[in-house]
Amino acid sequence: GAGVSQSPSNKVTEKGKDVELRCDPISGHTALYWYRQSLGQGLEFLIYFQGNSAPDKSGLPSDRFSAERTGGSVSTLTIQRTQQEDSAVYLCASSLAGTDTQYFGPGTRLTVL
Amino acid sequence: EDQVTQSPEALRLQEGESSSLNCSYTVSGLRGLFWYRQDPGKGPEFLFTLYSAGEEKEKERLKATLTKKESFLHITAPKPEDSATYLCAVDFQGAQKLVFGQGTRLTINP
Repeated sequence: GAGVSQSPSNKVTEKGKDVELRCDPISGHTALYWYRQSLGQGLEFLIYFQGNSAPDKSGLPSDRFSAERTGGSVSTLTIQRTQQEDSAVYLCASSLAGTDTQYFGPGTRLTVL
Repeated sequence: EDQVTQSPEALRLQEGESSSLNCSYTVSGLRGLFWYRQDPGKGPEFLFTLYSAGEEKEKERLKATLTKKESFLHITAPKPEDSATYLCAVDFQGAQKLVFGQGTRLTINP
């Protein structure tokens, strides 16, 4: 079956612009996660959704970052007023429930000039 | 502080030369330990989940084991296509997220 998909695969933007990253989870997966992977860093947790609610937003690095999920499916991660330090690969994962194996998408590589 | 440490950071082997990767963890209430493989430019690909000390899982040339403090990923007679970064992650009580190690970059030379 179809895996987790993310779009765009690459995004280049100028400092100060807003960007939206999209994640389509595996059909039927109720839990959705966003992670960030920077050069030389491990995967860093950003936010967790169970259905449409986000019980854990503890990893969002600043109030410039926000995320939403609609219809228990698609999620959008928005970064406002992007900074160069936001450059990273943003990975989305989904699982059947909050404690099950997480399956990852291919990621969106964000470059802020 | 909950922590996951992988060693070595990088490992270069000859084809057919078996070895092991280590993942040590200091978390309370481990619920599961996960191994992923990540190829350049791609997302992590799920390999194994281990839930309790003594558990072992195998897939082709890979075998994962778990103790109360660490996990090993044994690779037997590796081939060049096994070259990748191997990531270890833990899920623990009170957290709805995975905590990842820094990964081991494995290179298998023909």
